[in-house]
Amino acid sequence: EAGVTQFPSHSVIEKGQTVTLRCDPISGHDNLYWYRRVMGKEIKFLLHFVKESKQDESGMPNNRFLAERTGGTYSTLKVQPAELEDSGVYFCASRSSGGLNSPLHFGNGTRLTVT
Amino acid sequence: SQKIEQNSEALNIQEGKTATLTCNYTNYSPAYLQWYRQDPGRGPVFLLLIRENEKEKRKERLKVTFDTTLKQSLFHITASQPADSATYLCADAQSNFGNEKLTFGTGTRLTIIP
Repeated sequence: EAGVTQFPSHSVIEKGQTVTLRCDPISGHDNLYWYRRVMGKEIKFLLHFVKESKQDESGMPNNRFLAERTGGTYSTLKVQPAELEDSGVYFCASRSSGGLNSPLHFGNGTRLTVT
Repeated sequence: SQKIEQNSEALNIQEGKTATLTCNYTNYSPAYLQWYRQDPGRGPVFLLLIRENEKEKRKERLKVTFDTTLKQSLFHITASQPADSATYLCADAQSNFGNEKLTFGTGTRLTIIP
């Protein structure tokens, strides 16, 4: 099966610009997650979709971040306007049903650099 | 809130020896503790999961233990090989009224020296 794919792999934008990251989960996976790793820190949870519904968005840093998952398939994460502290690697992960005893499948991430 | 601590930032082990990585948690015992491997430029890849009521789990050359008294999980790679060099992450899998997420440690970068 195809894994989780993320696009783009790298993005360099200027402060104040807008960037949209895309994630295609494994087909049939209802659960989709966004995580972020900023330099030198641990990977941190941003939000969790179940199909097209936001189950938990407690990790979203502020209202400059908007995640969508229309139709319950792929997801986008938009940052508008981007700030310097938004730089980091954004990971998407998906999981089938089965609760937390089933592992997450991660994409290779989008490295975002805000200059 | 829960904190996951992987105290060794980097670990160098001679090929053929057993590598042991440590993961400590600060508050409540995780219902599930997961271990992932991450290579440079790639996403984390799931390796093993151990439940709160399990003491030990094995998969080929990998072994995970869970000690709720010490609030610690140990991850062992026996007969280590240079291909085992990577960053290893432990994560607490939390579920709270349907809200599910992983809390990661910062990882341990393991290098196996030929």
